[in-house]
Amino acid sequence: QKEVEQNSGPLSVPEGAIASLNCTYSDRVSQSFFWYRQYSGKSPELIMSIYSNGDKEDGRFTAQLNKASQYVSLLIRDSQPSDSATYLCAVIKAGGTSYGKLTFGQGTILTVHP
Amino acid sequence: DTGVSQDPRHKITKRGQNVTFRCDPISEHNRLYWYRQTLGQGPEFLTYFQNEAQLEKSRLLSDRFSAERPKGSFSTLEIQRTEQGDSAMYLCASSPPGTTLGEQFFGPGTRLTVL
Repeated sequence: QKEVEQNSGPLSVPEGAIASLNCTYSDRVSQSFFWYRQYSGKSPELIMSIYSNGDKEDGRFTAQLNKASQYVSLLIRDSQPSDSATYLCAVIKAGGTSYGKLTFGQGTILTVHP
Repeated sequence: DTGVSQDPRHKITKRGQNVTFRCDPISEHNRLYWYRQTLGQGPEFLTYFQNEAQLEKSRLLSDRFSAERPKGSFSTLEIQRTEQGDSAMYLCASSPPGTTLGEQFFGPGTRLTVL
């Protein structure tokens, strides 16, 4: 079982729709959760972080965390063609020895078509 | 540009050769990470430096891989006796003190092709 798994893609949504990206993690000691966006040929950039159960909203982005179900999601409202990218879910385990080691999922390719 | 920089951006080498990559983190960022990313996969952690100390190494980092961060500024990643399986994008990331560990700023990467 992979430590971090993301829903298989690619995901295609029409402009203006809600894109839903899902991620599950296997290690219950995971404490910090992140969504990175990676445009084709570019490096990852952080778009959302979430640390406690519930929802966290930032503009058109909402991250949801359910630690009991070991599940993290990212919703993108009013999707735009510029949102087309690979979205990477990443987690950090608790404990002083983690040193911020990010464990990434394989990524979900999102395409927003006009 | 004050972002993370990496050099070279592309490297083509023959199997068995040694290669060295350089990463310059954002100024004042004391934390520096190396990751490796292959096509269709997320980045995989390789190693972490806090200032000049290498505090964690992945099992992915075989004896052929070595990383340094002298004086706690730039870092180098060397791969000896390269193999075709080493072909990947090597990403460097940094983060400043006092921030959440997962909030990392990535450089543009060095794409390595081993023939």
